[in-house]
Amino acid sequence: DAKTTQPPSMDCAEGRAANLPCNHSTISGNEYVYWYRQIHSQGPQYIIHGLKNNETNEMASLIITEDRKSSTLILPHATLRDTAVYYCIVSPRSSGSARQLTFGSGTQLTVLP
Amino acid sequence: EPEVTQTPSHQVTQMGQEVILRCVPISNHLYFYWYRQILGQKVEFLVSFYNNEISEKSEIFDDQFSVERPDGSNFTLKIRSTKLEDSAMYFCASRPLEGSYTFGSGTRLTVV
Repeated sequence: DAKTTQPPSMDCAEGRAANLPCNHSTISGNEYVYWYRQIHSQGPQYIIHGLKNNETNEMASLIITEDRKSSTLILPHATLRDTAVYYCIVSPRSSGSARQLTFGSGTQLTVLP
Repeated sequence: EPEVTQTPSHQVTQMGQEVILRCVPISNHLYFYWYRQILGQKVEFLVSFYNNEISEKSEIFDDQFSVERPDGSNFTLKIRSTKLEDSAMYFCASRPLEGSYTFGSGTRLTVV
């Protein structure tokens, strides 16, 4: 699996957009970008994933650059409950295989009141 | 929303004892996993399970570990002779054929 690079920590003001960057310069053509988060030692929670198009769901938006070497997770209106460690993971599409996720150190996002 | 359920939430055991951590994956999911997270460290893959057998395991998953799916609903992780360094959060996860992983809330194992 391609490796990812994320800043170790970021702060964001409550109500503002949180933009979390991720570099994945060695991503290969069949690898997706997945984002998970972990709130204070709870189990990781799926947020969103994408291949090359931008994606949006009820939780977040995912912007992937045209060359796919980096991406940004956007939480449009961060709340205190979004304080968590955010993991960017690249992995081949999981269909038909038991491929596991490889977690890095992630970005500790702290939403400030 | 369907959940992955793990029991117990906290287990304290003496070194050398056997422990069984239990998980109830989401019912229509096909792939099952165990991960662990030592305090302050990364989430680490232990083992994946599909079609009633181990698909893949990490180097952490040595002979003291075993997994079972004894019936249609439970998925267990057994640690035969616990060591102090086995103290960690253990997360179960499951996944359908197509789709994302759902993790349980974890079992905190403390070996004393």
